Amino acid sequence: QVQLQESGPGLVKPSQTLSLTCSVSGDSMSSEDFYWNWLRQRPGKGLEWIGYVYDSESSYSNPSLKRRVSMSIDKSKKQFSLKLTSVTAADTAVYFCARGGLSSIWTWDIWGPGTLVTVSS
Amino acid sequence: SYVLTQPASVSVAPGETARITCGGANIETKFVHWYFQQPGQAPVLVVYDDVVRPSGIPERFSGSSSGNTATLTISRVEAGDEGDYICQVWDSTSENVVFGGGTKVTVL
Repeated sequence: QVQLQESGPGLVKPSQTLSLTCSVSGDSMSSEDFYWNWLRQRPGKGLEWIGYVYDSESSYSNPSLKRRVSMSIDKSKKQFSLKLTSVTAADTAVYFCARGGLSSIWTWDIWGPGTLVTVSS
Repeated sequence: SYVLTQPASVSVAPGETARITCGGANIETKFVHWYFQQPGQAPVLVVYDDVVRPSGIPERFSGSSSGNTATLTISRVEAGDEGDYICQVWDSTSENVVFGGGTKVTVL
């Protein structure tokens, strides 16, 4: 059974870079069927999709975040990562990683439990 | 940009049927996906591509879409169905994922 787990600092200072990693267990990432996504949920707010990474040459981000987002993947380590630059308090949120590809990139059938990242000095 | 509109809340008695709507312009031309989220938990996919239930989701959950409205129906509602239900589509015009605001289902 595939499981995802987010990890990274829970506190980031304003203007710095938020870095998170999602570790995949229970299955290989070598399948070409899946897309590895990041989403977030600000406190008390709705979900926001951040982007996906497919392989080392293919990723796509939410147009509103793309200038600050970079994603990478290491299938041999069964991990994928998110970097969000120049963070502000508005980036305080629970960040989720999720697997897409059940029927499309945008159907996320497996999620990590989420990790709260607070942006504060 | 594309907008999905959901009622803020729906209340239903145990054993009854809950219907949660998701309104969007010509939504029937898009694939709608539904997620269930309880406080402090990650969302769970309960219906995708308008009508398909993922493995492990009870048959009590069903979806439909017509015109400008997609609907998630929960039959024989149970206490464990209480939480937020969120609809989602891919909008090819804005090239972005769009979420509804979520509907809080309360089991009376």
